Amino acid sequence: EAGVVQSPRYKIIEKKQPVAFWCNPISGHNTLYWYLQNLGQGPELLIRYENEEAVDDSQLPKDRFSAERLKGVDSTLKIQPAELGDSAVYLCASSSGPGQGAGGELFFGEGSRLTVL
Amino acid sequence: GEDVEQSLFLSVREGDSSVINCTYTDSSSTYLYWYKQEPGAGLQLLTYIFSNMDMKQDQRLTVLLNKKDKHLSLRIADTQTGDSAIYFCAEKAGGGNKLTFGTGTQLKVEL
Repeated sequence: EAGVVQSPRYKIIEKKQPVAFWCNPISGHNTLYWYLQNLGQGPELLIRYENEEAVDDSQLPKDRFSAERLKGVDSTLKIQPAELGDSAVYLCASSSGPGQGAGGELFFGEGSRLTVL
Repeated sequence: GEDVEQSLFLSVREGDSSVINCTYTDSSSTYLYWYKQEPGAGLQLLTYIFSNMDMKQDQRLTVLLNKKDKHLSLRIADTQTGDSAIYFCAEKAGGGNKLTFGTGTQLKVEL
């Protein structure tokens, strides 16, 4: 079974440029998450989707960040314009449903590492 | 609010036991998790424990939960060099499926 696929793995851009990350979750997983992981820190939730609906985007900086999950499968996360402080790893994860019985295992992709110069 | 804390580093010798500790603040946590992250990779779930349990064992892994003190630990028996990674504890509280992660503990296994 294929895991969560993210691209690009690495991206280097200059500040004020736009950038987009793509995520393909595990087939059949209804719940998709975007997490931000700063160096030396744990992941922090940016947005959570149930199918195509964003059910928790309270931590998403909406002035420059946007996300979409058309058709409830793949998702893109966009930053426009990027700032120096956006340099981090952007992790995508998926799970088979909210609060599923075993405790909600999240399957993570390898992440997209962004460097803003 | 939710806050999960861990010590930053742990160094052990191969074959010894490792104990990684975590404290959390949300008393309504329903599940607590341990994830492993190897360099350049995403997080991988190692094990989890339901909040009404105080211990769970899974092969070389033992999870202890002290709900009164809001303290979670992960013991790795017979630690191997392949166990070198960053270990994150995480809690799920309230509805939905939001996990709050700790800052991670980097485990270094020396020969």
